[in-house]
Amino acid sequence: KAGVTQTPRYLIKTRGQQVTLSCSPISGHRSVSWYQQTPGQGLQFLFEYFSETQRNKGNFPGRFSGRQFSNSRSEMNVSTLELGDSALYLCASSLAGGPITDTQYFGPGTRLTVL
Amino acid sequence: GQQLNQSPQSMFIQEGEDVSMNCTSSSIFNTWLWYKQDPGEGPVLLIALYKAGELTSNGRLTAQFGITRKDSFLNISASIPSDVGIYFCAGRSSGGSNYKLTFGKGTLLTVNP
Repeated sequence: KAGVTQTPRYLIKTRGQQVTLSCSPISGHRSVSWYQQTPGQGLQFLFEYFSETQRNKGNFPGRFSGRQFSNSRSEMNVSTLELGDSALYLCASSLAGGPITDTQYFGPGTRLTVL
Repeated sequence: GQQLNQSPQSMFIQEGEDVSMNCTSSSIFNTWLWYKQDPGEGPVLLIALYKAGELTSNGRLTAQFGITRKDSFLNISASIPSDVGIYFCAGRSSGGSNYKLTFGKGTLLTVNP
């Protein structure tokens, strides 16, 4: 079974631009979560989607948004990029995100650099 | 919000030595997970723990879910060079629709051959 895939793997943008990252979950997984990883803050939860609906949200500004499609694929968008948005953005999928034994599996991440 | 304190931040050991790292939380978790992350890759799940007091092994790795539900440890026995990487603990506070993991800051493990 293929794992979680993320595209692109690397991205360079300039301040003020916007960016869209894509995540394809493991086949059959319906819950997709996004995390931001930086050296200073570590791994921080952005949001989680299930059945095309955002179920949970972390403490990030409104410039960070996402969506999920009917095939469970998800995208996240960051508008008006700031230097501090440079990070590894990780996507994780799980079956349904409900039962306590439901486990998240991570993709390789998208490395975003903002210049 | 919830915080996880993971220690140590880094470890330098010789091949063959055993390693121990732990996480403590200010609040209760229902699930503890241990992940390993290699440079440029996403975290890979090593061990998942679902019950207080549970002790689970995966090869040379052993992890325990603390009975207070506020802590967990990971042991690696007889370390080898490929154990190098960053190890993260993560906690999940409830089931239902709340799938949000809180991560520790990681333990960077270096193994000298």
